Amino acid sequence: TQLLEQSPQFLSIQEGENLTVYCNSSSVFSSLQWYRQEPGEGPVLLVTVVTGGEVKKLKRLTFQFGDARKDSSLHITAAQPGDTGLYLCAGERDDKIIFGKGTRLHILP
Amino acid sequence: DVKVTQSSRYLVKRTGEKVFLECVQDMDHENMFWYRQDPGLGLRLIYFSYDVKMKEKGDIPEGYSVSREKKERFSLILESASTNQTSMYLCASSFPVVTPFYEQYFGPGTRLTVT
Repeated sequence: TQLLEQSPQFLSIQEGENLTVYCNSSSVFSSLQWYRQEPGEGPVLLVTVVTGGEVKKLKRLTFQFGDARKDSSLHITAAQPGDTGLYLCAGERDDKIIFGKGTRLHILP
Repeated sequence: DVKVTQSSRYLVKRTGEKVFLECVQDMDHENMFWYRQDPGLGLRLIYFSYDVKMKEKGDIPEGYSVSREKKERFSLILESASTNQTSMYLCASSFPVVTPFYEQYFGPGTRLTVT
């Protein structure tokens, strides 16, 4: 069974702090996507990474795909209350998609 | 702006009822998907469709069927609802640029309760 494990499951930090969340697997993926989901809403796509070692930036968010395309990280600089939400990673492989269970992030003002 | 809409945000049905969940996208996407999301289990794929009248089983198709008569519309059907189908149902669509699941756009979800 292919698994995508996200860590930590929960994270609560003060506004202005930096943080990193992780998405790990023993499987190689052709692409990896990050989504943010707010309560009562559907996930919203943040970024897709496809190349090993790829780094993408979205304002204060930095996404990295591992060299072996098995893992990814999301780093947030100077977190703001608007970053609060459930962060999901999803890996695509062999015409299948696997979602991690998510990291629930809470930024305290 | 990209838009995926779902017919209901909240739905309460009784055990044994036939339930229809409707999803419409306005992006001319070929691919459409139905997921359910449960605490501790994450998102799980129920069915997806590559084109009109085409469907493929996902990871948990049991107890569900789908219909895609028009490109923009994808329906999920619970033939006889059961309490273990209480969940958040999410519809998504994508344009098959690279692979089927590349960059999906999700609707707001339907929270279904079966009593």
